[in-house]
Amino acid sequence: QVQLQESGPGLVKPSETLSLTCTVSGGSVSSGSYYWSWIRQPPGKGLECVGYISYSGSTNYNPSLKSRVSMSVDTSKNQFSLRLSSVTAADTAVYYCARAILTGYYQLDFWGQGTLVTVSS
Amino acid sequence: DIQMTQSPSSLSAYVGDRVTITCRASQSISFYLNWYQQKPGKAPKLLIYGASSLHSGVPSRFSGSGSGTDFTLTISSLQPEDFATYYCQQSYTTPLYTFGQGTNLEIK
Repeated sequence: QVQLQESGPGLVKPSETLSLTCTVSGGSVSSGSYYWSWIRQPPGKGLECVGYISYSGSTNYNPSLKSRVSMSVDTSKNQFSLRLSSVTAADTAVYYCARAILTGYYQLDFWGQGTLVTVSS
Repeated sequence: DIQMTQSPSSLSAYVGDRVTITCRASQSISFYLNWYQQKPGKAPKLLIYGASSLHSGVPSRFSGSGSGTDFTLTISSLQPEDFATYYCQQSYTTPLYTFGQGTNLEIK
């Protein structure tokens, strides 16, 4: 059974950089069959796709965040990461990592439990 | 950008009821429509992919239909554990998955 686990600071100051890591177990980030995704959910609101990365490091980002987002993959640690720069209170959200199936309908079949990141001084 | 609109935004129903949630895309997305269930404080769970395929382990009382711009999620007989928020998601225009605003299903 594939499991994903987010980790990183729960509090980030305005204008600083949010950094999160997702550790994958029971599966490999090196598989070419999946995209590794980040989705966020502001408190009490809906889901927003942040972007995703493939095993080879190819990335695609939400255009509304593109200038501030970067993602990377570390196959040796079976992890992938998110960095979001110049954060504001609007970036306060639960951040989820998830796996998307390329050979299907890009459905997100496994999710991490989510981690709340609060942007506040 | 493709916009996804769910209706209703909230719904009250009894255990045993048949419930239908609708999702409409602002342009055709073929069958690239997925449904998720989210309970408070938990990550979303995949229910249906490709508009009508049931994800592994999901009870058969859940079903999906539709293509193009109009889609439905049906729960044939509501169980207590089904009270949750449901989201549709289009995956036609990757990388930007777009989710609907959610439908909150409450017990009556």
